[in-house]
Amino acid sequence: DAKTTQPTSMDCAEGRAANLPCNHSTISGNEYVYWYRQIHSQGPQYIIHGLKNNETNEMASLIITEDRKSSTLILPHATLRDTAVYYCIVRVAHNNAGNMLTFGGGTRLMVKP
Amino acid sequence: DSGVTQTPKHLITATGQRVTLRCSPRSGDLSVYWYQQSLDQGLQFLIQYYNGEERAKGNILERFSAQQFPDLHSELNLSSLELGDSALYFCASSRTSGSPNTGELFFGEGSRLTVL
Repeated sequence: DAKTTQPTSMDCAEGRAANLPCNHSTISGNEYVYWYRQIHSQGPQYIIHGLKNNETNEMASLIITEDRKSSTLILPHATLRDTAVYYCIVRVAHNNAGNMLTFGGGTRLMVKP
Repeated sequence: DSGVTQTPKHLITATGQRVTLRCSPRSGDLSVYWYQQSLDQGLQFLIQYYNGEERAKGNILERFSAQQFPDLHSELNLSSLELGDSALYFCASSRTSGSPNTGELFFGEGSRLTVL
C-alpha cells in the first residue's frame, strides 16, 4: 500500500472548516484513499473514502486532486467533539475476504472554542 | 456503537502471565482484525481472520496467538507477558461478500491491558 504524509498536528476554531491535507504521491491506480479518525483512546471510526472523484457524506467531504497525489478531508463546521487524530490511508480495493488497514501517525486535530 | 464487542475493557496482570482477549464481530461480518496500540508505536496491525482461517499476519509476536471460532467470535491470547505488552488492543470486523466495496472496518472500543 502507498505511503501517506500528514501534518503531525493542526488547530481549528470551533465552527470553522477544518481542512486536513494528505500527500500520497506514490498512489497506484487501483488504490483508494480512506480517512478514519480516533477520538481519544476510542476505536478508530471510518469517515469517508474515495478513488478519484470528490466525495461527501454526512460527516465530511473528501477532495482528491486530479493527479490523485494528494487529498484533503474537510470538516465543514468543526465542533469540539471533532478533536481527534485523523488518519489518511491508501489501500487497494476491499476484496471478498477483507483487507487490513495500515495506520500511520495521523494528524492530531485540536478544535478550539 | 460500532457493533463490535470486546471484553474485558480493562485488564491488569503481572509479567509472565497469560491473558485472553475476546472479540465479537458485527452480525454477519466474516473478517476479524486485531490491532495493538501502545503509546510509542501507534496502531499496529497484528492479525486478520476470515471465516475461521488466518488471512493476513502483521507484527504479531510469537508469544501472541489468535483464533476465530465457528460462531465468528475471535480470541487473542497473549502469553509470557512483558511490561512492553501494556497497550490498547482493538478488534475490528468488516463486511465481506454481498456488500458494496467500501473497505470499512468497524472497530470495537478496545481492551486496555496493563502489565505490572
